[in-house]
Amino acid sequence: DTEVTQTPKHLVMGMTNKKSLKCEQHMGHRAMYWYKQKAKKPPELMFVYSYEKLSINESVPSRFSPECPNSSLLNLHLHALQPEDSALYLCASSQAGGRRPQHFGDGTRLSIL
Amino acid sequence: KNQVEQSPQSLIILEGKNCTLQCNYTVSPFSNLRWYKQDTGRGPVSLTIMTFSENTKSNGRYTATLDADTKQSSLHITASQLSDSASYICVVSRSNDYKLSFGAGTTVTVRA
Repeated sequence: DTEVTQTPKHLVMGMTNKKSLKCEQHMGHRAMYWYKQKAKKPPELMFVYSYEKLSINESVPSRFSPECPNSSLLNLHLHALQPEDSALYLCASSQAGGRRPQHFGDGTRLSIL
Repeated sequence: KNQVEQSPQSLIILEGKNCTLQCNYTVSPFSNLRWYKQDTGRGPVSLTIMTFSENTKSNGRYTATLDADTKQSSLHITASQLSDSASYICVVSRSNDYKLSFGAGTTVTVRA
């Protein structure tokens, strides 16, 4: 079982819906990440939180809104998504500091109708 | 241009056989190199991590090598099993940088 838990595992939503992806870890990690992965492609970094503060935003469209309520939780709020946003969304966590190994969750498979 | 190149893109091997995957990188300054295994529909799972001073690391039937001078790494799978069918991703980290450089992955298919 993965130590980074993501919910839901699958999500289908319309372009006008608002939904949220959730990620939780209890390893005491102080850095958390959101990645987007298209089929047969490597993950692409979206956001990095370090000590609950947003430290990296890879020019992600505002229809994706991250939130880090505490050191164990990371959310990704979705609104007005486009069909091309359909992908596997991965959450990861690590000890603070860029060299630390990242532990990935199993992702949320998102489909936009 | 991607700073991490993997080869081959895919390969098929028979159960019980060995195989070797390659990774070349240009990322600098180098901090560490990781090999991840990603099963279909799952998140990546770390197999090995090597720093500049390490030239080999094993994890069961997986053995990774690193030549930091030539900026090359390999992942050797010994006595392959059906469960080894997955995508293997080479990931390089720069010093003190949260951003990772991912290779495109090698898809391994093990057949009985």
